[in-house]
Amino acid sequence: GAVVSQHPSWVICKSGTSVKIECRSLDFQATTMFWYRQFPKQSLMLMATSNEGSKATYEQGVEKDKFLINHASLTLSTLTVTSAHPEDSSFYICSVRGVQFEDGYTFGSGTRLTVV
Amino acid sequence: TQLLEQSPQFLSIQEGENLTVYCNSSSVFSSLQWYRQEPGEGPVLLVTVVTGGEVKKLKRLTFQFGDARKDSSLHITAAQPGDTGLYLCAGLRYGGYQKVTFGTGTKLQVIP
Repeated sequence: GAVVSQHPSWVICKSGTSVKIECRSLDFQATTMFWYRQFPKQSLMLMATSNEGSKATYEQGVEKDKFLINHASLTLSTLTVTSAHPEDSSFYICSVRGVQFEDGYTFGSGTRLTVV
Repeated sequence: TQLLEQSPQFLSIQEGENLTVYCNSSSVFSSLQWYRQEPGEGPVLLVTVVTGGEVKKLKRLTFQFGDARKDSSLHITAAQPGDTGLYLCAGLRYGGYQKVTFGTGTKLQVIP
């Protein structure tokens, strides 16, 4: 199956600054990657679908200008949280999906963002 | 709107006990998956069920897909501390290979 590497694992930043999170598909060419947000003890909420070479597709209610997604290659997608505020503190996870649905989604290890 | 409701939301049991987690929806899914997530990690796929009424076993875990393809259950026999984690069901709607819908999650704690 695919191997997904996410970096950094955790980051603390000051309010107003921007943070970039990287998601790499190490052994799988991913034309599509997914970005999720997860609050403590809650399920995954899809934020956006990252498409290689084109614009990301954002879910309703997700600010595209705040959560910038770039998918410049088949192995790398980045999520930049711009002008971060404490309410942006969360666990962000990326994933790639297998060729068939039965293969499931492979997730990165997540990034814990804390905005102070 | 959350399409997949899981119950219970939280469950704390003693080692050796049995438990069942439910995943219910008013919508029909072409297939459904179960994932387990440990703290600070991403979810890991446990199983995919694709046929209504299908039952799959993975060691002490038994997964069932409802006949009407609207619900699923996960039964764990003789739970162990290593089973502790957040269990998520995820459903794929009919109409092609589209993004999945994740359930609300069940947080399981198995006490030694």
